[in-house]
Amino acid sequence: AQTVTQSQPEMSVQEAETVTLSCTYDTSENNYYLFWYKQPPSRQMILVIRQEAYKQQNATENRFSVNFQKAAKSFSLKISDSQLGDTAMYFCAFQAQKLVFGQGTRLTINP
Amino acid sequence: ETGVTQTPRHLVMGMTNKKSLKCEQHLGHNAMYWYKQSAKKPLELMFVYNFKEQTENNSVPSRFSPECPNSSHLFLHLHTLQPEDSALYLCASSQGLAGGRETQYFGPGTRLLVL
Repeated sequence: AQTVTQSQPEMSVQEAETVTLSCTYDTSENNYYLFWYKQPPSRQMILVIRQEAYKQQNATENRFSVNFQKAAKSFSLKISDSQLGDTAMYFCAFQAQKLVFGQGTRLTINP
Repeated sequence: ETGVTQTPRHLVMGMTNKKSLKCEQHLGHNAMYWYKQSAKKPLELMFVYNFKEQTENNSVPSRFSPECPNSSHLFLHLHTLQPEDSALYLCASSQGLAGGRETQYFGPGTRLLVL
């Protein structure tokens, strides 16, 4: 069975700083997809970024980028120039057949 | 309306009540999902529908009864729930079920409290 582990339950940084959220996963699959979702206090689960495992190039979406290390089964999210609106729960998720979520990291951006 | 919508956003019900949650997607997708999000637990997949047909029931108790009349609408009928069923219920949709390739898009959720 696939598992997703987010080892940082909570993180807090100052506005404009860069922050990296960690995620590791366990699978025997070779073809799969990885996602980071953001869930702000409004509870809407919003897709932040997606990575195909067969692509070596790390995905980037504006201030959000990932560091995908397939051999190490690691998929971290870097948020550059953090903003107050980035405050949310961040979930790492793995999908080969089903979408499997990690426990989440609560990120707070302080003014 | 765009994306995935869910109603009601909040629901309080007694253990003997019968209520329904509604999900509607405006993305032209063919697959829809119900998830349960409890405090301090990862999201749990409950049901999956593809082209109105149920393709997965993740050992969900029968007090939860899904219904998918068409590819755009998904319901979750609730009856004789227990207090431990209190949670955020999230609906999602994707274009299809093509292995891991399809990205799921989520609704805002229904916050359910069972008294």
